[in-house]
Amino acid sequence: EAQVTQNPRYLITVTGKKLTVTCSQNMNHEYMSWYRQDPGLGLRQIYYSMNVEVTDKGDVPEGYKVSRKEKRNFPLILESPSPNQTSLYFCASSKQPNTEAFFGQGTRLTVV
Amino acid sequence: DQQVKQNSPSLSVQEGRISILNCDYTNSMFDYFLWYKKYPAEGPTFLISISSIKDKNEDGRFTVFLNKSAKHLSLHIVPSQPGDSAVYFCAAFPGSGTYKYIFGTGTRLKVLA
Repeated sequence: EAQVTQNPRYLITVTGKKLTVTCSQNMNHEYMSWYRQDPGLGLRQIYYSMNVEVTDKGDVPEGYKVSRKEKRNFPLILESPSPNQTSLYFCASSKQPNTEAFFGQGTRLTVV
Repeated sequence: DQQVKQNSPSLSVQEGRISILNCDYTNSMFDYFLWYKKYPAEGPTFLISISSIKDKNEDGRFTVFLNKSAKHLSLHIVPSQPGDSAVYFCAAFPGSGTYKYIFGTGTRLKVLA
């Protein structure tokens, strides 16, 4: 089954404690990206990747890091989380940037 | 600066009638537009897309219209069904120069039985 898998689904953490949200896709897609969803702001792109070792900033990259060492995986790293990073996060992949994107189930992150 | 805007946060429609969801954009260089549907506790799912060289694309009950001169696109759902109740996001892809994806803020559609 074609899917994008994110883990964990829910996470509560404390300010400053480094965390990683994993994302994996099984469709051999080139393009992967991370989004955060906040009330009234819709989905905002954090980072995207065109292929292995090729990443670039989206609209809200501050406080986040990503890596793309393998085609299927695109982890999101918060080196020092802060309460304003409390949000619902989605990973997505697509064959090309302008084609149908497949989204993961989401990760609800709370930073206290 | 919101480059893709969905000015109606919510919309209610009677079952069987037409639902029209609107989206405005500011950048005339946008190359591709897509619509996604999102149910609570799930990730968005792709609905339909349209290239900037077209003005209409149809897929079953869903039709997207693009008016480039007005920088406006709309999603028509006919007939609307209760299962269509969800949040709908439009998204734009700039094409050349950048590979960013820009989403609107979403419209919550409620189809009343």
